[in-house]
Amino acid sequence: NAGVTQTPKFQVLKTGQSMTLQCAQDMNHEYMSWYRQDPGMGLRLIHYSVGAGITDQGEVPNGYNVSRSTTEDFPLRLLSAAPSQTSVYFCASSRTLGGRVINEQFFGPGTRLTVL
Amino acid sequence: QQQVKQSPQSLIVQKGGIPIINCAYENTAFDYFPWYQQFPGKGPALLIAIRPDVSEKKEGRFTISFNKSAKQFSLHIMDSQPGDSATYFCAASTNYGGSQGNLIFGKGTKLSVKP
Repeated sequence: NAGVTQTPKFQVLKTGQSMTLQCAQDMNHEYMSWYRQDPGMGLRLIHYSVGAGITDQGEVPNGYNVSRSTTEDFPLRLLSAAPSQTSVYFCASSRTLGGRVINEQFFGPGTRLTVL
Repeated sequence: QQQVKQSPQSLIVQKGGIPIINCAYENTAFDYFPWYQQFPGKGPALLIAIRPDVSEKKEGRFTISFNKSAKQFSLHIMDSQPGDSATYFCAASTNYGGSQGNLIFGKGTKLSVKP
């Protein structure tokens, strides 16, 4: 199993540009999430999904959109990038059992995004 | 606002020492407390986790101590090695309600173990 994969590893954008960060997992996990990591701030939840067709907002959702059309993929979209979105982005997934999230989350390797 | 407060921000110990990282939480609905280890350029990886029905859990050289009444938990690393040098994050989540499974992270502790 490849686990959780993220592309690209690095990206530089100009203010106002749009892009999609890709996340895929091959563990058949129902729960997937996106976090951003900033120095001294830990990891903060952006959006999450408990299954295909279901998404919800986390702690810092503004400026980001998500969709979940398949169990495997959970892309994160920046519609109009801003310098405040410069960060390292991590995707994570977890299995569920009987509708409950089994708490161990598996993280991808991250995407380092710089917005100029 | 749900919070998990972690201290210290950074920690330097000698090889063989026992670094201790502390976390405190506010939400009594939290019922899962993991610690994640992150090496530079990598994603966080689960190290060890505890639920509030036990006061201590050991896995190898890593131990979580949990104090439910004080709403605090800590990570102890026995016989620390230079290879343990990493950033450690505590986290908390609940298995109930609409946000079940969502992890709330502390701000991290950068540990350096000197040879």
